[in-house]
Amino acid sequence: KQEVTQIPAALSVPEGENLVLNCSFTDSAIYNLQWFRQDPGKGLTSLLLIQSSQREQTSGRLNASLDKSSGRSTLYIAASQPGDSATYLCAGDSNTGNQFYFGTGTSLTVIP
Amino acid sequence: DAGVTQSPTHLIKTRGQHVTLRCSPISGHKSVSWYQQVLGQGPQFIFQYYEKEERGRGNFPDRFSARQFPNYSSELNVNALLLGDSALYLCASSFTSGRMNEQFFGPGTRLTVL
Repeated sequence: KQEVTQIPAALSVPEGENLVLNCSFTDSAIYNLQWFRQDPGKGLTSLLLIQSSQREQTSGRLNASLDKSSGRSTLYIAASQPGDSATYLCAGDSNTGNQFYFGTGTSLTVIP
Repeated sequence: DAGVTQSPTHLIKTRGQHVTLRCSPISGHKSVSWYQQVLGQGPQFIFQYYEKEERGRGNFPDRFSARQFPNYSSELNVNALLLGDSALYLCASSFTSGRMNEQFFGPGTRLTVL
């Protein structure tokens, strides 16, 4: 079973700061790792998907990396904005690929 | 194109009742997964369906069941509701089951059990 941990649980930064969110997983047989954003009471918005053959993905101010050997993924957010305030969740799949295991998320607050 | 849709958005039930939640995947997607998200936690996997067949089941009691229809929409049924079933129920669709699958989530159904 894949176990996913996210640290820190909460993070507060001033606007404009670059930041890194961390995600660790226990099963190196992970194939897909996906980062999501969740606004309060809402569904999940897909941010980036990293597949096993990839080491990183970039979208705008976001960059996600995957290091299977160390069991870690990081989400880098450049030049943070108040609109980035949300909970960020990472999820890794199982060895059959039919489910994602989620971390408990990092709640990000960007202060104007 | 429409994303994943779920209905209803909110639901209030009492203990012992049953509930049916509905999900329509993105057009062209054949796989639907259901997740339960309790406040303050990450989503927990309940079921995955692909081509109307169950492809995965999480650690949930038999009170939880689901099915997928020929148009790939899906229903999640929960019987004999307990207070602990209060949660946000999320549906995710993907093109196929198995790996190389980016999952897209709907807005969720907020279930409150009184």
